[in-house]
Amino acid sequence: QKEVEQNSGPLSVPEGAIASLNCTYSDRVSQSFFWYRQYSGKSPELIMSIYSNGDKEDGRFTAQLNKASQYVSLLIRDSQPSDSATYLCATGGGATNKLIFGTGTLLAVQP
Amino acid sequence: EAQVTQNPRYLITVTGKKLTVTCSQNMNHEYMSWYRQDPGLGLRQIYYSMNVEVTDKGDVPEGYKVSRKEKRNFPLILESPSPNQTSLYFCASSLGGRPTEAFFGQGTRLTVV
Repeated sequence: QKEVEQNSGPLSVPEGAIASLNCTYSDRVSQSFFWYRQYSGKSPELIMSIYSNGDKEDGRFTAQLNKASQYVSLLIRDSQPSDSATYLCATGGGATNKLIFGTGTLLAVQP
Repeated sequence: EAQVTQNPRYLITVTGKKLTVTCSQNMNHEYMSWYRQDPGLGLRQIYYSMNVEVTDKGDVPEGYKVSRKEKRNFPLILESPSPNQTSLYFCASSLGGRPTEAFFGQGTRLTVV
């Protein structure tokens, strides 16, 4: 079992729709959770961090964490073609001092 | 401007020729790390450092060395590069001694022939 799992996609949504990206993790003692956006050929860019159960909203982005289910999600409202990228889920502060990434979900927003 | 700077951005080298990729951050971050990114495998951590003179292996450390003599610098050393080390490499730093919000460098695309 991979430590952080994501559906590789591509996830295709029409412009203006809500994109829903999901991630599960295996380390029950993970304490911190992150979503990064990576455009092709570029470096990952942090867009959301979440540390406690529930929802956290920042503009068009909402991160959701459910530690009991070991599940993290990212919602992107009013999706724009500029949101087309690979979204990486990461966990940290678990049994090790490592930041562990999933393999990413490719999001394609269709104009 | 707060940033993580890697050099070089692109490098083509031959098998066995020692090389160093530099990484420097100006944010006074304690935690620094190196990743490699390969298609289908995602970002995998090579080495990390929680502070000066404190380094530890990540998930794929074989064939790499690091050092952390100063807080701002964390070079990645390939003593004898091989073609399977052809990859896209990223350096990242985080505030504190734990892997919190990470800021990434621009990346180094390495090709070993």
